[in-house]
Order: sequence, then C-alpha cells, then structure tokens
Amino acid sequence: DVVMTQTPVSLSLAIGQPASISCKSSQSLLGTSGKTFLNWILQRPGQSPKRLIYQVSKLYSEVPDRFSGSGSETEFTLKISRVEAEDLGVYYCWQGTHFPRTFGGGTKLELK
Amino acid sequence: EVQLVESGGGLVQPGASLKLSCVASGFTFSDYWMSWVRQTPGKTMEWIGDIKYDGSYTNYAPSLKNRFTISRDNAKSTLYLQMSNVRSEDTATYYCTRQHLDYWGQGVMVTVSS
Repeated sequence: DVVMTQTPVSLSLAIGQPASISCKSSQSLLGTSGKTFLNWILQRPGQSPKRLIYQVSKLYSEVPDRFSGSGSETEFTLKISRVEAEDLGVYYCWQGTHFPRTFGGGTKLELK
Repeated sequence: EVQLVESGGGLVQPGASLKLSCVASGFTFSDYWMSWVRQTPGKTMEWIGDIKYDGSYTNYAPSLKNRFTISRDNAKSTLYLQMSNVRSEDTATYYCTRQHLDYWGQGVMVTVSS
C-alpha cells in the first residue's frame, strides 16, 4: 500500500496567518493517464469530511481561493494564504492513483 | 443538492454480520462509482472499497476483501456494505462517498463489542 505521511500533525495559528501542510507519498502518484490523483479533504469538528482540492491543485467550485495545492510525484503541499475561523479542523490528503486508496494521518488546524 | 444518508449501524457482537445502507439523492446515482470509507475512533481514515456505476465491478482494500461486500441497487439509489465476522477493530464510523470521494454522508457508527 502507498503510505501517505502528513506533517505537521497539528498547527496552531492566528486568524490571518498563512498555513502550510505537507503530504508525502511512499510511491509516485503520477498515474499512467498522466494525471496525479492527490486530493485534500477537510473535516471540521463534529462534521463529516468535505472536499477541498483534487488532482494536486484543482479547487472544487465552493472552495475559497485562499486555498492552494501544489506538488508532484511524491511531495505535495496544501497552503492557506490567510487562515479564517471556518478553516479549523483536520486536513487529510489521500491518493487515488493506486489501489487501495490511502489517506494521510491528518493535520489538525487550531486557532491560537 | 447531493445527499448521502447512511443507516444500519449500531452495537454488534464479535463474529456477527451487519449490513449498512446509503440512500443517495440529488444526482443520477447510476452514473457514478460509489465508495465506502471508515474512520476509526482514533480518527484514522481507511478506504474500504468501491463499486462501478452499474454494479458490475468492485475493488476492495485487501485486508477487508474476505469479510466485506459492497453492492448497490440503482433502482433504489442505494449503496450497501455487508460486513461479516466483524471484529473489535471494525469499530468505526462508516461513510458512504461518491466517486472520487467528492461527497460524503454524515456517517454511521458501528461498535463491535460483547
């Protein structure tokens, strides 16, 4: 199985500060189609996960543009340009290139 | 609005069987692959498997393949997860998700304990 490693485990930030979360995979996530199926989801406290980013850097339509994704092969990053209160929760990366699909351990974003 | 509503969870004894359901609405169910994902009490996410839009093909996590079966009824817009010979480590919240995990249900809790 592809192991997904997220760092840091937790982040404590003030409103307006930038955030950066790293996700590394044990194998390249570049698929035979030429696409890289690295995705991000956010689970707010007490809620089910919500979609954020797919194929490394594509934001779903409802996601604010303060979010961005980047990376390739085995190293990926989620960035928030300025944290807002609604961004609190646990961020997970997950890969859809290889079976079985696998998830990172999560990064908890808290308010300072 | 896409909605996925799971049901069928609860307290179950080790070795028993349980069938979860997920009713979908707000999209054409028969056009999409569907998946099950579970989250342990420690918040670890585990992909269980998925099923093709017409029900003709499934993929499973190897560790669960022998005990879990995913099926669907497109006429009822319903996804199922049949769990057999459950173990304490199957205790988790189970989520129904649409293709590419772009929509998630609210989740249903399964507790395996004697």
